[in-house]
Amino acid sequence: EIVLTQSPGTLSLSPGERATLSCRASQSVSSSYLAWYQQKPGQAPRLLIYGASSRATGIPDRFSGSGSGTDFTLTISRLEPEDFAVYYCQQYGSSPPVYTFGQGTKLEIK
Amino acid sequence: EVQLVESGGGLVQPGGSLRLSCAASGFTFSSYWMSWVRQAPGKGLEWVANIKQDGSEKYYVDSVKGRFTISRDNAKNSLYLQMNSLRAEDTAVYYCARDRRYFDWQTHYYYMDVWGKGTTVTVSS
Repeated sequence: EIVLTQSPGTLSLSPGERATLSCRASQSVSSSYLAWYQQKPGQAPRLLIYGASSRATGIPDRFSGSGSGTDFTLTISRLEPEDFAVYYCQQYGSSPPVYTFGQGTKLEIK
Repeated sequence: EVQLVESGGGLVQPGGSLRLSCAASGFTFSSYWMSWVRQAPGKGLEWVANIKQDGSEKYYVDSVKGRFTISRDNAKNSLYLQMNSLRAEDTAVYYCARDRRYFDWQTHYYYMDVWGKGTTVTVSS
């Protein structure tokens, strides 16, 4: 089973700065099976990126995803106050056909 | 409006049972796979189970196999999770999510695009 490791665990930045979040897989992952979610305290997760680089409906273009193989990145080009949250990567494994999540990166205001 | 609303959570003793429900609206429920995802207090997300559109395929995370059963009633636009032999480590917020998968330009995509607000399950004596 593929394990996703996110880094850093916590990222402290200021509004207006650029955020780069990493997700590393223990084995190669198909890009189309890789998604990113944002979760704010007390709320359900929200889909940001699917297929490693496609933005979900309504997601601002300051959010972008990239990567392939075992290394994937979520970039927030210019942080807004509402972007401070926890971010999770997720992959679908066809064998076995299950989903796994990374442990999350907390993006906090510096 | 596309919406998922969970219910059925509560406090249950270890070894007990609970049945969660998820009511779907605003989309053709019978056309989508559906998943349950949970989040223990202060922890990350963990996928629990999913089910195909017609209920013919079901998959589970290893930790709940043999104890949890996912099911659906397309006539009622509802998803269920029957949880038996509950343990303290099953304590979590349980979310239902639309398990979106589609085929485009020879590529399959898999992700969860609609989430409910969750229902809380607490297993404690």
